[in-house]
Amino acid sequence: DAGVIQSPRHEVTEMGQEVTLRCKPISGHDYLFWYRQTMMRGLELLIYFNNNVPIDDSGMPEDRFSAKMPNASFSTLKIQPSEPRDSAVYFCASSLMGGETQYFGPGTRLLVL
Amino acid sequence: TQLLEQSPQFLSIQEGENLTVYCNSSSVFSSLQWYRQEPGEGPVLLVTVVTGGEVKKLKRLTFQFGDARKDSSLHITAAQPGDTGLYLCAPGGSYIPTFGRGTSLIVHP
Repeated sequence: DAGVIQSPRHEVTEMGQEVTLRCKPISGHDYLFWYRQTMMRGLELLIYFNNNVPIDDSGMPEDRFSAKMPNASFSTLKIQPSEPRDSAVYFCASSLMGGETQYFGPGTRLLVL
Repeated sequence: TQLLEQSPQFLSIQEGENLTVYCNSSSVFSSLQWYRQEPGEGPVLLVTVVTGGEVKKLKRLTFQFGDARKDSSLHITAAQPGDTGLYLCAPGGSYIPTFGRGTSLIVHP
């Protein structure tokens, strides 16, 4: 398996623009997680899905953030409109079962100017 | 509020030195996971400790789970530059993973 795939790897955009981050989990994994990592706040869980259904989105900062998982092999995290404080590394991870090993993608490095 | 407190936050040492990093909580966990994140990459699982008092070894890395299953430590013997990275702990067996802030380790050649 190729592991968790994220795209793009790097994104530079201007404040106010829409940003869409993409993730393909490992085939057969039932759980998908979106994280944000910054120096100040560490690795924060934004939202996670079980069998394509959002289970807990309490970590989503505000209404500007939304996440979808239309099928078992694809998820998106959208920020609209983006702000400079959204600059961070965004990770997607998947696991076979809840509480089991999480496999992380390489991350998307987002810079909002 | 962080469920898991990790210390120290930063550690910069010379090759060959030994070190210990800690992961503490007031909560009891059924298991605890240790991950390492290398620069520019996502975290990768190193080990899961399950039983109170358990000790697991991974080459030069020794992981211990506290008797009360509230804390854990990671000891590295004769650190090498390849050990450089961010060491994160997270509760296993939990549907809502909450990572500690991590210990950022730099090993200088």
